[in-house]
Amino acid sequence: KQEVTQIPAALSVPEGENLVLNCSFTDSAIYNLQWFRQDPGKGLTSLLLIQSSQREQTSGRLNASLDKSSGRSTLYIAASQPGDSATYLCAVPGGSYIPTFGRGTSLIVHP
Amino acid sequence: DAGVTQSPTHLIKTRGQQVTLRCSPKSGHDTVSWYQQALGQGPQFIFQYYEEEERQRGNFPDRFSGHQFPNYSSELNVNALLLGDSALYLCASSSDRGGYGYTFGSGTRLTVV
Repeated sequence: KQEVTQIPAALSVPEGENLVLNCSFTDSAIYNLQWFRQDPGKGLTSLLLIQSSQREQTSGRLNASLDKSSGRSTLYIAASQPGDSATYLCAVPGGSYIPTFGRGTSLIVHP
Repeated sequence: DAGVTQSPTHLIKTRGQQVTLRCSPKSGHDTVSWYQQALGQGPQFIFQYYEEEERQRGNFPDRFSGHQFPNYSSELNVNALLLGDSALYLCASSSDRGGYGYTFGSGTRLTVV
């Protein structure tokens, strides 16, 4: 059974900092990993999808890396802004191809 | 191109009642998955529908049931509602067993009183 852990659980930083959000998973036989953003009480917005054959994906100020062998993915946020405040979730499929989610990292970026 | 559409947005029900939530998948997607998200938790997988059949099921009781229609839209039904069923219910659509990722809707906030 896939288990996903996200560290830290919460983060509060001043605007402009570069951030690192971590996701670890127990079953490394995955074919992709997806990072999402969730605003309070809202649905999930996909940020980045990394296929198992890739080491990283970039979109604007976001960069996600994937190390299957160690069961880890990292989301980097460059030059954080107050609009980045949200919960960030990683989703990792298990043997049945169904994504399993971590509990997320709650991020607050203050001006 | 419309994404995943869920209805209703909010719902208040009384304990013991039954509820039906609806989801229309993103154009081009043929698979619908349902998740329950309690406050402060990550989404928990309920079940997945493909070709109008339940393909996978998470650790949820039989009070939770679903259906997928020929146009790929889906319904989630919950019978005999409990206070603990209060949560955000998320629908996600995908294709090719999620090889191209999952697209989520905005969710339905269910409150059981």
